Amino acid sequence: EPEVTQTPSHQVTQMGQEVILRCVPISNHLYFYWYRQILGQKVEFLVSFYNNEISEKSEIFDDQFSVERPDGSNFTLKIRSTKLEDSAMYFCASLPRRETQYFGPGTRLLVL
Amino acid sequence: KQEVTQIPAALSVPEGENLVLNCSFTDSAIYNLQWFRQDPGKGLTSLLLIQSSQREQTSGRLNASLDKSSGRSTLYIAASQPGDSATYLCAVMYNTDKLIFGTGTRLQVFP
Repeated sequence: EPEVTQTPSHQVTQMGQEVILRCVPISNHLYFYWYRQILGQKVEFLVSFYNNEISEKSEIFDDQFSVERPDGSNFTLKIRSTKLEDSAMYFCASLPRRETQYFGPGTRLLVL
Repeated sequence: KQEVTQIPAALSVPEGENLVLNCSFTDSAIYNLQWFRQDPGKGLTSLLLIQSSQREQTSGRLNASLDKSSGRSTLYIAASQPGDSATYLCAVMYNTDKLIFGTGTRLQVFP
């Protein structure tokens, strides 16, 4: 069964550094998402992406964040200058249309 | 504000019990509702999806019901097993594509 994959599984970085989190959505899916989960808290929506542009973003998704689908298969989340509070599990999700969202296994980001 | 709440926050039961997990949402104009399972440090596995026009969905020992008018959904787990131990998340989709998640119910089933 096709799966959403994410790399790396874990990333440790210094505050102020740039990180890129990578996702490979399921191949025929059209809608792509990033969510995050700070330890012990709810899963929170960050951004949705459709037809090569952002369709919605949350208040969390400020100018430090950006998304890209550089080659038609990968879907990336970039954090330009990481802060301590960016430490979280980041999940990518995709779906073919507005129904079940398929989540990747997540990237655990730790900012020191 | 659209919010999703789950009770109880945690549940510990002996193997074999039938369980009910509760989810409530403040805005009843939902598009669909989804139940997920999350194992510690892992991703989210979709269990059941209920469209706004549906009343329930079943998959194996799991049954999810939806009462839009009262803003509630329940996940019923029959004959619980230790392998069911995980956190169960309820998530609601409105007329935008994003999911709004509840706080989760952490379930432990002991032998």
